[in-house]
Amino acid sequence: SAVISQKPSRDICQRGTSLTIQCQVDSQVTMMFWYRQQPGQSLTLIATANQGSEATYESGFVIDKFPISRPNLTFSTLTVSNMSPEDSSIYLCSVLGLAGNEQFFGPGTRLTVL
Amino acid sequence: GENVEQHPSTLSVQEGDSAVIKCTYSDSASNYFPWYKQELGKGPQLIIDIRSNVGEKKDQRIAVTLNKTAKHFSLHITETQPEDSAVYFCAAILVSGGYQKVTFGTGTKLQVIP
Repeated sequence: SAVISQKPSRDICQRGTSLTIQCQVDSQVTMMFWYRQQPGQSLTLIATANQGSEATYESGFVIDKFPISRPNLTFSTLTVSNMSPEDSSIYLCSVLGLAGNEQFFGPGTRLTVL
Repeated sequence: GENVEQHPSTLSVQEGDSAVIKCTYSDSASNYFPWYKQELGKGPQLIIDIRSNVGEKKDQRIAVTLNKTAKHFSLHITETQPEDSAVYFCAAILVSGGYQKVTFGTGTKLQVIP
């Protein structure tokens, strides 16, 4: 399985500011994803981070609010822009394993917006 | 689109007893069904999975069964231990070529009482 790290692990931010979350994988992977998990809720896919091209966003999520970078096969960033308290969530990076089906998750970034 | 229902939302069992969590899905094209365990403050961890051409899979105290006709699958944990306490998520995944569509269940909070 892939080893995934995320930075920061948690942050408390002020309304209107932006936060960039980093995801680093210990091996090259084709597919990387960003999820949001609101308190006590299930996981919601924000977007698929594509290497060398623009991310593919799910319904309800837009690039202006959640810009994503994927400069290579082991790294991606998610920015939460112009934050409001409703953005308080856990943000999770995920990758597909070598077998192509198994999906592995990072430890998450716990974001609180005041 | 796919819809995954998961029951129960909370489950308390005595240490040593068995726990069963059930999920139903709506899209008969879904062909891969993983289960995740999420401990407090951590990302989801893949614990077992099953593919649509298999009816049952077991790994030590954990087993998963799949009924494709009825479109439901279940997680069975035997001889539960306090460290099994966590939130468990099922997922139904459509895998087709290089495309993968994931839908998560709503989660089950399992408490194992010593």
